[in-house]
Amino acid sequence: SAVISQKPSRDICQRGTSLTIQCQVDSQVTMMFWYRQQPGQSLTLIATANQGSEATYESGFVIDKFPISRPNLTFSTLTVSNMSPEDSSIYLCSVELWREAFFGQGTRLTVV
Amino acid sequence: AQKITQTQPGMFVQEKEAVTLDCTYDTSDPSYGLFWYKQPSSGEMIFLIYQGSYDQQNATEGRYSLNFQKARKSANLVISASQLGDSAMYFCAMREGDFQKLVFGTGTRLLVSP
Repeated sequence: SAVISQKPSRDICQRGTSLTIQCQVDSQVTMMFWYRQQPGQSLTLIATANQGSEATYESGFVIDKFPISRPNLTFSTLTVSNMSPEDSSIYLCSVELWREAFFGQGTRLTVV
Repeated sequence: AQKITQTQPGMFVQEKEAVTLDCTYDTSDPSYGLFWYKQPSSGEMIFLIYQGSYDQQNATEGRYSLNFQKARKSANLVISASQLGDSAMYFCAMREGDFQKLVFGTGTRLLVSP
């Protein structure tokens, strides 16, 4: 399995500020995925991040709000910009290895 | 249309009993993968088991087994000998093709009682 380190594990942020979430994988992977889980809901894909190219965003998510970096094959960041209380969610990164998909520990974000 | 359907919002089981969590899926892609994850209150997503559409046998991982019925498009998770630590949310997910996103069901909350 893959070991995925995601930081921070949780944060409480003021509205209007931004938070950057980091995801480090112990293996080189082509694609990394960022998901959001709103309270009491299932997971929804925000974007797919390939190394060396711009991230591909799902409908309803835009780069200005959720900029993503993918500087190498083991690391990615997701920024939640200009936060509002509606951004309070768990954010998770995920990678696929040997057909199986693994997740980081998640970042529990509360916006006040 | 929902691609992944979990019809049980909540399930109760007694310790040491077996429990089946239901999952049905919808796809026209012949190549797909089915996943089950456990999410405790901490929020992390713990990978439990994977079944590929071309796999001939049902997947098993310790106390977890996947009852894969391709014609019925169902991929139920069976947990044998339930433990108190199994209490959590369980999500079924599907990936169509390789290196594609996962689509998740709405989840089933499992409560294991002593």
